[in-house]
Amino acid sequence: GAGVSQTPSNKVTEKGKYVELRCDPISGHTALYWYRQSLGQGPEFLIYFQGTGAADDSGLPNDRFFAVRPEGSVSTLKIQRTERGDSAVYLCASTGGSYNEQFFGPGTRLTVL
Amino acid sequence: KNEVEQSPQNLTAQEGEFITINCSYSVGISALHWLQQHPGGGIVSLFMLSSGKKKHGRLIATINIQEKHSSLHITASHPRDSAVYICAVAMYSGGGADGLTFGKGTHLIIQP
Repeated sequence: GAGVSQTPSNKVTEKGKYVELRCDPISGHTALYWYRQSLGQGPEFLIYFQGTGAADDSGLPNDRFFAVRPEGSVSTLKIQRTERGDSAVYLCASTGGSYNEQFFGPGTRLTVL
Repeated sequence: KNEVEQSPQNLTAQEGEFITINCSYSVGISALHWLQQHPGGGIVSLFMLSSGKKKHGRLIATINIQEKHSSLHITASHPRDSAVYICAVAMYSGGGADGLTFGKGTHLIIQP
């Protein structure tokens, strides 16, 4: 069956631009997570959705970052006024239940020039 | 905030060797995950465990809740095992699983 998909796989943008990163979770998975992985580091938690609502957004680094999941399936991570320090791989994961393993997407590699 | 430490950071071994990667964390957890990440690839979940031991093929994961420590073992290692192995911990609240807290990963290279 289809796994978690993320688009685009690579995004190059200029400093100050706005970007949107998309995550399609596994069908029926209620929980969706966004993580960010900088080069040579482990991933860091950004935000977690349970259904349509953000259950925990404590990992978002600042108010330039925002994420939505309007219908409880696809999620979009939005970054305004991008900075070079935003360059990283943005990972999405979904799970079918609170206590289940997380299934990760391939990630979107964002490069801010 | 939970602190997750992995050791070693880098490990190079010969094919066939028994591999051990360690993970310790600072705050009590609900579950611990071992993940595998290949260069340029996505992350694959190997194990999720909250107590005891799990085995899948040549991989074995153990956890000691009292000592806040887990180990991942690879028996009869093979060059295709070369990857970054990441330990991550989860806390569960009434609403579900919080986001994972990750270690920095162990970069494993198995030479033929």
